[in-house]
Amino acid sequence: SQQGEEDPQALSIQEGENATMNCSYKTSINNLQWYRQNSGRGLVHLILIRSNEREKHSGRLRVTLDTSKKSSSLLITASRAADTASYFCATGGTAGNKLTFGGGTRVLVKP
Amino acid sequence: GAVVSQHPSWVICKSGTSVKIECRSLDFQATTMFWYRQFPKQSLMLMATSNEGSKATYEQGVEKDKFLINHASLTLSTLTVTSAHPEDSSFYICSARDRGLAGPYEQYFGPGTRLTVT
Repeated sequence: SQQGEEDPQALSIQEGENATMNCSYKTSINNLQWYRQNSGRGLVHLILIRSNEREKHSGRLRVTLDTSKKSSSLLITASRAADTASYFCATGGTAGNKLTFGGGTRVLVKP
Repeated sequence: GAVVSQHPSWVICKSGTSVKIECRSLDFQATTMFWYRQFPKQSLMLMATSNEGSKATYEQGVEKDKFLINHASLTLSTLTVTSAHPEDSSFYICSARDRGLAGPYEQYFGPGTRLTVT
């Protein structure tokens, strides 16, 4: 079953703008990960944030984690047309090593 | 490093036939592999966890007799969709854990296999 819910489900922005998407989850987690999926392709791992971390950066990506609210956000700054993809959050439970994926946010960056 | 391949990348089969999908870790040994299914514009749903040398653990609602999983070596897991029906048409993605890395986090995903049952 899916644990994460992502918001918004779809996002359309102009190149150069920032894109923000949110992920909420229900149970305790060990870590939260963000993945990108281009249409019809596999998943690319973007960033992992552990439950004891609050913010993490990787290039143009910024991820926050609020365990008290059971939510995370992914910010893509200065978006490019190549950022057009679906973005998924996935949580790793404390009890095992399975990943549970959120519903995803489809991002369209218009040139 | 940490490359996972899937074969085939796409397959079309007739209703009632069986299809085998392979998932290989190319440059690491994977004690655990995971199989996911993804319908169009939806998220990934975990089908089963495959452990080398033992039986797979299936998620609730996944028919183990229909989706046969074999993890015979540390670099290969196979998913066989038996007696396929059009509703089995989907994108199947595998992932693998590197047994050489500490922690439960590291999973590497294959590029996926598009199955179309006619």
